[in-house]
Amino acid sequence: GAVVSQHPSRVICKSGTSVKIECRSLDFQATTMFWYRQFPKKSLMLMATSNEGSKATYEQGVEKDKFLINHASLTLSTLTVTSAHPEDSSFYICSMYRGLVDTEAFFGQGTRLTVV
Amino acid sequence: AQSVAQPEDQVNVAEGNPLTVKCTYSVSGNPYLFWYVQYPNRGLQFLLKYITGDNLVKGSYGFEAEFNKSQTSFHLKKPSALVSDSALYFCAVRGQTGANNLFFGTGTRLTVIP
Repeated sequence: GAVVSQHPSRVICKSGTSVKIECRSLDFQATTMFWYRQFPKKSLMLMATSNEGSKATYEQGVEKDKFLINHASLTLSTLTVTSAHPEDSSFYICSMYRGLVDTEAFFGQGTRLTVV
Repeated sequence: AQSVAQPEDQVNVAEGNPLTVKCTYSVSGNPYLFWYVQYPNRGLQFLLKYITGDNLVKGSYGFEAEFNKSQTSFHLKKPSALVSDSALYFCAVRGQTGANNLFFGTGTRLTVIP
């Protein structure tokens, strides 16, 4: 199956600092990538849809200035949590489709962010 | 609007017994339905999908699911549970039009008891 690599898997940062999470497709190109956030014992909530070469589309309630998304190439999307606060601590997961013919999404391994 | 419901937060089953994890959905038009499994601190792994065709879908690790249009259900099943099946299971739906993102249920934690 397709491989999606997400890095880092775990990160601890101090309040007020910024953290960048990378999501790469290793064996295919993706024009669209999705960023999800998962709260403890909760489902995945879509944060934003990242489109290569254009601005991301954010879901209602997600602060675009806080969660910066950059989709600079067909194989890389990044999520930067700016001025992190403890309430931003969560599990972040990226996802993408391999192409138009594929109907299942492939997910990264996830990033556990802890803000202290 | 699209939505998915997983009515059970937790399912416990003895090893070797059959298991069922329930899922119902609501979507405009014909649905694309998926099951994913998540192990602790990991991303989601694809198990199986229903797009069209036979209502009984077979997937990875011996899992299968039955699409029931009249009941708008897509329950996940396995004839004989393994301890290694213990994980968090998500049902998801994707409509055929509009955005390509998935809508997830709240997840069901499956515990297989040795």
